[in-house]
Amino acid sequence: DTGVSQDPRHKITKRGQNVTFRCDPISEHNRLYWYRQTLGQGPEFLTYFQNEAQLEKSRLLSDRFSAERPKGSFSTLEIQRTEQGDSAMYLCASSFVETQYFGPGTRLLVL
Amino acid sequence: AQSVTQLGSHVSVSEGALVLLRCNYSSSVPPYLFWYVQYPNQGLQLLLKYTTGATLVKGINGFEAEFKKSETSFHLTKPSAHMSDAAEYFCAGPNFGNEKLTFGTGTRLTIIP
Repeated sequence: DTGVSQDPRHKITKRGQNVTFRCDPISEHNRLYWYRQTLGQGPEFLTYFQNEAQLEKSRLLSDRFSAERPKGSFSTLEIQRTEQGDSAMYLCASSFVETQYFGPGTRLLVL
Repeated sequence: AQSVTQLGSHVSVSEGALVLLRCNYSSSVPPYLFWYVQYPNQGLQLLLKYTTGATLVKGINGFEAEFKKSETSFHLTKPSAHMSDAAEYFCAGPNFGNEKLTFGTGTRLTIIP
C-alpha cells in the first residue's frame, strides 16, 4: 500500500494560465475525491468519482474547473484561466468504503 | 445535511498535560465520524474513526475519542501531550445521501514545553 500520491506538490503560476494536477489513489480504491483547502479552513468538497463516473460536483467547481478519471484509476483536476482566488491546497482522497485516505496535496499559488 | 462544529480554533497545552479537542455534530446521528490530523504543508492523516457500535474509539499516537449521542459530541483526547502532537486537527462527518465529507474549521494544537 503506497498511499495516495499527488503531483506536483507545489505549483506557482501566473493569473490566466492553465494548470493540471494529478492524483493516484490507493490501487484497490474505487472512489476518488477532490477537496480544496484555503488557509485556516477545513477542506471543502469539490467533486467525487466512483470508478470513472463523476457522481457529484460542488457549486465551488466553476466552469473553469474540470476533473477526469478516464480509466477509473488516476484522476486529473484542471483549472483554466487561473485567478488569484484559486490559490489553495488541493487535496485528493480515495476510499473503498467510508474511510477516505488523503494524499499530501498540491499547493497552488496564483500570482 | 450533516455538519460538524469544532469549538476552539486554537488550543495550547503544556507537554505532559491532557489534550481535549472538541467536536459536535448536528442532531442527526451520523453513521461514522472521523478525526484527522494535518502537519504543516502536508495532507490529512486519519487519527481515528467512529462507526456505529463502540462509543470509545482508540486511534493512533495515543489519541482516543468518545461518541456521546446525548451530547451530540465526538471529542478527541490524549492523556499526556507530546511535542510531536503540535498540528491542526479536523473533525469530519458524512453528508447523508452522498459520499462527501464535511469538515470542521479545525483546531490548531500548540504544545508548550
